[in-house]
Amino acid sequence: AQTVTQSQPEMSVQEAETVTLSCTYDTSESDYYLFWYKQPPSRQMILVIRQEAYKQQNATENRFSVNFQKAAKSFSLKISDSQLGDAAMYFCAYRSSSYFYGGATNKLIFGTGTLLAVQP
Amino acid sequence: GAVVSQHPSRVICKSGTSVKIECRSLDFQATTMFWYRQFPKQSLMLMATSNEGSKATYEQGVEKDKFLINHASLTLSTLTVTSAHPEDSSFYICSARDRERNTIYFGEGSWLTVV
Repeated sequence: AQTVTQSQPEMSVQEAETVTLSCTYDTSESDYYLFWYKQPPSRQMILVIRQEAYKQQNATENRFSVNFQKAAKSFSLKISDSQLGDAAMYFCAYRSSSYFYGGATNKLIFGTGTLLAVQP
Repeated sequence: GAVVSQHPSRVICKSGTSVKIECRSLDFQATTMFWYRQFPKQSLMLMATSNEGSKATYEQGVEKDKFLINHASLTLSTLTVTSAHPEDSSFYICSARDRERNTIYFGEGSWLTVV
């Protein structure tokens, strides 16, 4: 079974600085998707960035980028020029790319989350 | 963009009664929807996978008779908490898979308080 581990329960960063959130995962599959989700106090889950395992190039979305190390099964999120609005819980998630009848394998497997505080 | 709507956002019910939460995909057809429960300061715990036109697939430890899931159409899945008790109070979130975009979208979540 796949597992996702986030070893940093809480992180803090100064406004305008850069912070990196760690995530490791375990799987025997070769093709899959990895995600970072943001959950602000409103509790709405917001997709931050997505990475397909077959792509070697690291995904980037504006101030957010990932360091995807497939062999090491590591998927860290870097937030550059941190803003007060970045303060939230961040979840790393894994999804298989396999599709079996019923779709059950498309479920997201979440890590335990990292609470990010941004100091003004 | 694609939106998943969840209703109600907050509900208070009396112990022993049943309460229904709806999850709708507004601009795409969702053959698969997912129901999660989230305790304070914890991660999302998958309860079940809802498949349109067939029975839901429940995760280990989730009581299927207590958490009834119905996915009768391609845009609607419902979670009914039957004979609710205070320990069922929690934040429930649904998500829906858009196969065309190969993306999963989340609803806004529902706060359930059982008194």
